[in-house]
Amino acid sequence: GAVVSQHPSWVICKSGTSVKIECRSLDFQATTMFWYRQFPKQSLMLMATSNEGSKATYEQGVEKDKFLINHASLTLSTLTVTSAHPEDSSFYICSATDTLTEAFFGQGTRLTVV
Amino acid sequence: RKEVEQDPGPFNVPEGATVAFNCTYSNSASQSFFWYRQDCRKEPKLLMSVYSSGNEDGRFTAQLNRASQYISLLIRDSKLSDSATYLCVVNSGGGADGLTFGKGTHLIIQP
Repeated sequence: GAVVSQHPSWVICKSGTSVKIECRSLDFQATTMFWYRQFPKQSLMLMATSNEGSKATYEQGVEKDKFLINHASLTLSTLTVTSAHPEDSSFYICSATDTLTEAFFGQGTRLTVV
Repeated sequence: RKEVEQDPGPFNVPEGATVAFNCTYSNSASQSFFWYRQDCRKEPKLLMSVYSSGNEDGRFTAQLNRASQYISLLIRDSKLSDSATYLCVVNSGGGADGLTFGKGTHLIIQP
């Protein structure tokens, strides 16, 4: 199956700093990428949908100024958590698709803000 | 509002048993259906797509009931390694709407 690479796999940062997470589709062109957040013992919650070359569409309740998404090419999308706080600690997962059917997931990034 | 509902469990099942769980969806226009498996602290991985005629992959059988708007997953001869969270995923074909995930059903296979 298609491969989606997400980096870093885990990061610990100080409160108030910004963290950038990258999501790359390695063997296909991802017209659409999705960013999810998953808190312990909960399911994935869609944060935003990004289409290459256009602004991301954010879900209700997700601050677009705090979670900056850039999808500059068909193989790369980035999520930047700005001014991170402990409540932003979570598991962030990206997924990419070219056909809007099956989604391929990155390995996830475990963010801990201290 | 599109919703996908699953029983969160946990389902505690002895090794070798057969277990089944359902997932209901609210959007009758939904087009594609999937079961994903997620292990603790890992990303979800596609287990199988669900086809209208039902499909089987080894010990796993998936079925779709459009009239009642639910999909099901049946696991036969369960193994310890089947312990995981099973996510029901629905694509309503809304383009930018992406996929809608159920909250997952937690399955524990006991020796």
